[in-house]
Amino acid sequence: EDQVTQSPEALRLQEGESSSLNCSYTVSGLRGLFWYRQDPGKGPEFLFTLYSAGEEKEKERLKATLTKKESFLHITAPKPEDSATYLCAVQARAGGTSYGKLTFGQGTILTVHP
Amino acid sequence: DVKVTQSSRYLVKRTGEKVFLECVQDMDHENMFWYRQDPGLGLRLIYFSYDVKMKEKGDIPEGYSVSREKKERFSLILESASTNQTSMYLCASSLSPLTQYFGPGTRLTVL
Repeated sequence: EDQVTQSPEALRLQEGESSSLNCSYTVSGLRGLFWYRQDPGKGPEFLFTLYSAGEEKEKERLKATLTKKESFLHITAPKPEDSATYLCAVQARAGGTSYGKLTFGQGTILTVHP
Repeated sequence: DVKVTQSSRYLVKRTGEKVFLECVQDMDHENMFWYRQDPGLGLRLIYFSYDVKMKEKGDIPEGYSVSREKKERFSLILESASTNQTSMYLCASSLSPLTQYFGPGTRLTVL
């Protein structure tokens, strides 16, 4: 069974204080690992897809990296508007199906104080 | 940009009512999904569809059904709403088996 564990559950940062969020996963053959941002009361907003170990992707103050067992979302010099819940999800290579089920972690609630 | 819309942001229903939640995407995606999101339980897949009139059960299909008569529209039906179906319902769509794009969500309260 595919599993995703995110840590920490909650993270409080001061504006400008860089940090990282962790996503550990077990999956029977990784097709893709996804990061989403979710604001309170809204749907998840897609950030990144990573496909293979060693891959990195960046968007503004966010950088996602991937190893064979975990992914990190690095936040450089965060601002209050980066406050949100960050969700990680994995998709396995499913034999005989093409729909692409996602298995989500519980998320990390990030709060950035001015 | 991908646009996924859901018929209501907030909905309040009574126990036993039949409830329809509708989702529309404008990007000609083959795959559409319904999730529910609850505190401490995360996002859980209810049903998905990979083509018109095709549907597959997800992890928690009990008490729900779905309909996909047109490619752009995917409906979630609660045949007889119960209080334990109070939740945030999220629709998503994808072109390939990969990246899913989510709608804004419907907060359903069943009294």
